[in-house]
Amino acid sequence: AQTVTQSQPEMSVQEAETVTLSCTYDTSESDYYLFWYKQPPSRQMILVIRQEAYKQQNATENRFSVNFQKAAKSFSLKISDSQLGDAAMYFCAFLEYGNKLVFGAGTILRVKS
Amino acid sequence: EAGVTQSPTHLIKTRGQQVTLRCSPISGHTSVYWYQQALGLGLQFLLWYDEGEERNRGNFPPRFSGRQFPNYSSELNVNALELEDSALYLCASSLDSGAGTGELFFGEGSRLTVL
Repeated sequence: AQTVTQSQPEMSVQEAETVTLSCTYDTSESDYYLFWYKQPPSRQMILVIRQEAYKQQNATENRFSVNFQKAAKSFSLKISDSQLGDAAMYFCAFLEYGNKLVFGAGTILRVKS
Repeated sequence: EAGVTQSPTHLIKTRGQQVTLRCSPISGHTSVYWYQQALGLGLQFLLWYDEGEERNRGNFPPRFSGRQFPNYSSELNVNALELEDSALYLCASSLDSGAGTGELFFGEGSRLTVL
């Protein structure tokens, strides 16, 4: 079974600064999908960004980008120009066979004004 | 467009009771997923339904069960509740059963407390 590890239970960032959230995973598959989901307090979880393993290029969505290192099985999320609305729990996830998303334990991101 | 809706939002049960949680997916979505988010344990995959059939099941005992109706809505049933079943139960839907996109649309969850 695949495992996803988020080693940072909590991170803080100053508004307008950049922060990087770490994620590592373990798999024997060669082609797979990785995701970052955001869960704001008392609100629905939403997809932030998606990466397909066979694509060399790192995914980018506006202020959000990933650093995908396939050989190292690392998938970090970089948030640039942090905003107060970015404060949330962030989950890294791996799509396993059978449409099963395997989530990491999550990282709480606090944004300071 | 309405998002994924879940009911009830909060409920309190006692050990040994049974509970049914309900989920309505986004219109046009055929796949429904259930996840358990217990404190300190992250999200754990429970069930995946597509076109009325159970397609995959997580590592949970048989007292966790569910079904998907012809209109694609879904129920999650938990029998013989135990204290450790206290959690936020999240329902999600996706446009199709293809594993490639992986984008799930989540509801706000049903918070279950077992006393």
